[in-house]
Amino acid sequence: EVQLVESGGGLVKPGGSLRLSCAASGFIFSNAWMNWVRQAPGKGLEWVGRIKRKVDGATTDYAAPVQGRFTVSRDDSKNILYLQMNSLKIEDTAVYYCTTGSAEGFWGQGTMVTVSS
Amino acid sequence: QTVVTQEPSLTVSPGGTVTLTCASNTGAVTSDYYPNWVQQKPGQAPRSLIYSTSNKHSWTPARFSGSLLGGKAALTLSGVQTEDEAEYYCLLYHGAAQVFGGGTKLTVL
Repeated sequence: EVQLVESGGGLVKPGGSLRLSCAASGFIFSNAWMNWVRQAPGKGLEWVGRIKRKVDGATTDYAAPVQGRFTVSRDDSKNILYLQMNSLKIEDTAVYYCTTGSAEGFWGQGTMVTVSS
Repeated sequence: QTVVTQEPSLTVSPGGTVTLTCASNTGAVTSDYYPNWVQQKPGQAPRSLIYSTSNKHSWTPARFSGSLLGGKAALTLSGVQTEDEAEYYCLLYHGAAQVFGGGTKLTVL
């Protein structure tokens, strides 16, 4: 059974940092392109960023609102996906989901990040 | 800035058929945009239904189908069931970036 379990969410002040983790199991993590998607309270889905698999260079791409502040990384030895979030803004408040590539189509249950003073 | 547009809301009767669409302000949606469709019910995590225009996952009910229609991506539900009441999001690939539509709230009554 495929599982994606996010953790690391919480309350942080504007300008602060947070690192989210996504523990993956039930599939060959090292073969998968992985994404982070977020959803602000009462709003729609927003793609945050993606990391390709190592054989494809493990390159990353980001949505414009987070470019330069967020970093997606992966540890294939531990089957964990990360999202390092720096210089957090109030508008980054959201549930953050990790997802596999489209063909696999798996989503985690999400972790809540609240940015507030 | 890329904007993906969906109908804000649609209503369908049980057993009926409904088509949701997904447009891009960059032009006609083609298979090169790898359209995806995602379902989200209140209080639940999203669930992927369709990828690369028309491909279904093992868990996708047969009544859901994806296509291209008149320059847009489309999701058609045939024989709608009450459990299909949900928010539906399309996702388009624009080069290295991915962009979600604003979502369509589907009401079944």
